[in-house]
Amino acid sequence: NAGVTQTPKFQVLKTGQSMTLQCAQDMNHEYMSWYRQDPGMGLRLIHYSVGAGITDQGEVPNGYNVSRSTTEDFPLRLLSAAPSQTSVYFCASSIRGHYYEQYFGPGTRLTVT
Amino acid sequence: GENVEQHPSTLSVQEGDSAVIKCTYSDSASNYFPWYKQELGKRPQLIIDIRSNVGEKKDQRIAVTLNKTAKHFSLHITETQPEDSAVYFCAAGGSQGNLIFGKGTKLSVKP
Repeated sequence: NAGVTQTPKFQVLKTGQSMTLQCAQDMNHEYMSWYRQDPGMGLRLIHYSVGAGITDQGEVPNGYNVSRSTTEDFPLRLLSAAPSQTSVYFCASSIRGHYYEQYFGPGTRLTVT
Repeated sequence: GENVEQHPSTLSVQEGDSAVIKCTYSDSASNYFPWYKQELGKRPQLIIDIRSNVGEKKDQRIAVTLNKTAKHFSLHITETQPEDSAVYFCAAGGSQGNLIFGKGTKLSVKP
């Protein structure tokens, strides 16, 4: 199993550009989530999904969209990038919900200039 | 919603000493409390977790205690080793269907 994979590893965007961060898992996990990690701020939940076709907002959803058309994939879309979105983004999955171990991907380091 | 406070933000100990990290949470409905370790440049990984029906859980040199009345939980690492140096995050999960993380504690173990 590859576990949780994320692409790209690094990305530089200009303000106003849009892009999609990819996340995939091959463990047949129902629950997937996106976090951003900023220095001194811990991990903050952006969006999560409890299964295909179901998504919900986390703590910091503004400026981001998600969809979950398959169990395996959970892409995160930045609609119009802003410097405040410079961060490290982690995707995570768990077998059934947030009450179970979250398996994190390797992260995407995004810089918005 | 849930709010998780974590202290201290940095902790330095000598190899062999014990380390304690404390977290408090605000939502009395939270019932799942995991701890994650993140080494520099790597992804967070679960090291131990506790559910609300248990007061203490141990795994070798690591233990977690939970006080639901006071709404706080703690991570205890005994006989620390240099490889324990990392950032540790506590989290609380409950009625909202998601995990809320603390801001992290950077632990440094000096040989």
